[in-house]
Amino acid sequence: GDSVTQMEGPVTLSEEAFLTINCTYTATGYPSLFWYVQYPGEGLQLLLKATKADDKGSNKGFEATYRKETTSFHLEKGSVQVSDSAVYFCALRGSGGYQKVTFGTGTKLQVIP
Amino acid sequence: GAGVSQSPRYKVAKRGQDVALRCDPISGHVSLFWYQQALGQGPEFLTYFQNEAQLDKSGLPSDRFFAERPEGSVSTLKIQRTQQEDSAVYLCASSSYNQRTSNYGYTFGSGTRLTVV
Repeated sequence: GDSVTQMEGPVTLSEEAFLTINCTYTATGYPSLFWYVQYPGEGLQLLLKATKADDKGSNKGFEATYRKETTSFHLEKGSVQVSDSAVYFCALRGSGGYQKVTFGTGTKLQVIP
Repeated sequence: GAGVSQSPRYKVAKRGQDVALRCDPISGHVSLFWYQQALGQGPEFLTYFQNEAQLDKSGLPSDRFFAERPEGSVSTLKIQRTQQEDSAVYLCASSSYNQRTSNYGYTFGSGTRLTVV
């Protein structure tokens, strides 16, 4: 079945540092890939997505590129802020009419001033 | 409404009690999903509806869990004889195909945090 593996946290960075959170996946066909973010005390929010190979999703300074050859979708940001502190989930949704989302276990990011 | 609405936002249940969690999807969304998110984990799939038909319930952890969507809109997740391991956030999501973008729009609700004491 489908699965998502992401790097374990917590990740602690100083403000303005470069962020990478690794994510790899296993799926049949051509899934869509997502990063969701969960701020403390809040619900899941879609951060960015990519629906086909070589697509780059971007939002709020975050980027991730759909790499089919390495089955990866790593999340990056050039300069993190304290307000980016949250838990980040990599996820995939299979192709076809049935669109269950499979999530990774989440990576907690803490940015210190 | 504009988003997926879930109620109650928080629920505390004594062990052995039955609970019912409600999900109000985006109007017109055909597909509805329930997920369970345990503390420190990613959401895990519980069940899927297409209109009123429950097409996949493979993720329901036991026969104490039951979901319904009788009229193809609002859905209820019921947990009977709650146990401590049922403590989690229960998320609902709805989805429908967007012909303009050729994509499935997928929206999560804020969830119901269930604590079993």
